[in-house]
Amino acid sequence: EIVMTQSPATLSVSPGERATLSCRASQSVDTNLAWYQQKPGHSPCLLIYDASTRATDIPARFSGSGSGTEFTLTISSLQSEDFAVYYCHQHKHWPRTFGQGTKVEIK
Amino acid sequence: EVQLVESGGGLVQPGGSLRLSCSASGFTFTTYAMDWVRQAPGKGLEWVSTISGTGGDTYYADSVRGRFTISKDISKNTLYLQMDSLRAEDTALYYCVKDTCGSTSCRFDYWGQGTLVTVSP
Repeated sequence: EIVMTQSPATLSVSPGERATLSCRASQSVDTNLAWYQQKPGHSPCLLIYDASTRATDIPARFSGSGSGTEFTLTISSLQSEDFAVYYCHQHKHWPRTFGQGTKVEIK
Repeated sequence: EVQLVESGGGLVQPGGSLRLSCSASGFTFTTYAMDWVRQAPGKGLEWVSTISGTGGDTYYADSVRGRFTISKDISKNTLYLQMDSLRAEDTALYYCVKDTCGSTSCRFDYWGQGTLVTVSP
């Protein structure tokens, strides 16, 4: 099983600042990597797929990069609605696996 | 507009069974794989199972293989998850998810609101 490790577990950021979230795979997943955002009490929603492609209607302040085993989600200038939990997810190998999540909270 | 509406959750005793349903609309049901993803209270996301567009291929997490069965009724545009031999650790919010695969990878592009399964004496 591919283990997805996200860091940090919690990220404290002020509105308007940049946030950088990391995701590491225990073995290569090429670019078969997606990022999801989950706000409290809501279902997750797709942000990024193919490691770097923004999903429909996702603002340009969200960007993804990486391939193989190292991936990054960057939020260039945090807005109030961006404080949430973010999960990475690999689709290359069965079983599909998620990271444990990074909570982005207001500093 | 894509809509996924889950139902069938509830309270069940350990060892019991439950069948979840997910009514899908707004897309061609046979074209897309579908998944179940669960989230235990206060915890992260866990992929449970996938079924291909036509229903011919199925995949399961090790934690549920042999106990859960995923299926789809194409005539009703409905996805199912039959859950048998339920355990306390199966307690979670179960999401129905539309699975879109391109040339290089897949993604979960639409999620239902979830249905809560509680396994307790």
